Amino acid sequence: GAGVSQSPSNKVTEKGKDVELRCDPISGHTALYWYRQRLGQGLEFLIYFQGNSAPDKSGLPSDRFSAERTGESVSTLTIQRTQQEDSAVYLCASSPTVGGGQPQHFGDGTRLSIL
Amino acid sequence: AQSVAQPEDQVNVAEGNPLTVKCTYSVSGNPYLFWYVQYPNRGLQFLLKYITGDNLVKGSYGFEAEFNKSQTSFHLKKPSALVSDSALYFCAVRFSGSARQLTFGSGTQLTVLP
Repeated sequence: GAGVSQSPSNKVTEKGKDVELRCDPISGHTALYWYRQRLGQGLEFLIYFQGNSAPDKSGLPSDRFSAERTGESVSTLTIQRTQQEDSAVYLCASSPTVGGGQPQHFGDGTRLSIL
Repeated sequence: AQSVAQPEDQVNVAEGNPLTVKCTYSVSGNPYLFWYVQYPNRGLQFLLKYITGDNLVKGSYGFEAEFNKSQTSFHLKKPSALVSDSALYFCAVRFSGSARQLTFGSGTQLTVLP
């Protein structure tokens, strides 16, 4: 597609359930990023991919969070045993390559609500 | 420590007046600086960037920003504000030579009053 696509746009689930969030980057973009945006706050970096590799996982808040990317395309962010503090908007971004002065292009996000 | 700050949570300006949204950073070395805008229930849209060269950069929708190395600032400006400019604005920095992700400021809510 023309832009970064994220699904679902909204997800409501019960505490303790697992959730999967999907990101389709712009075709040809080798770099892919995940951020978390809590209500009224800025963006918190979670993880980035260079191709299918994730060189820096230091931003993942706990071992309940994991992410993978396949085919240098789609990425999924998985949150296991969700907690109420996981409620946030999860944003995905992509850029042609990692680093440098290239801007990141963002999807509209997945709004996750944990009951 | 490397950081980026947006000192104003909220900026109000009358339509037709000039607007400024402030951003300062703290870093050793040369940063790459970006401005993004976020409308309700949408992702972030890229406005402009500074990498090197002319300190005044022009971007989308009539916005511009001035890089000031001595003051470590990168304020966003527009000569004449529109009501449709009302949104949440984020300054972001990529510190050259360090991690690949962007570090974002906390955001500034701009409201343009008709």
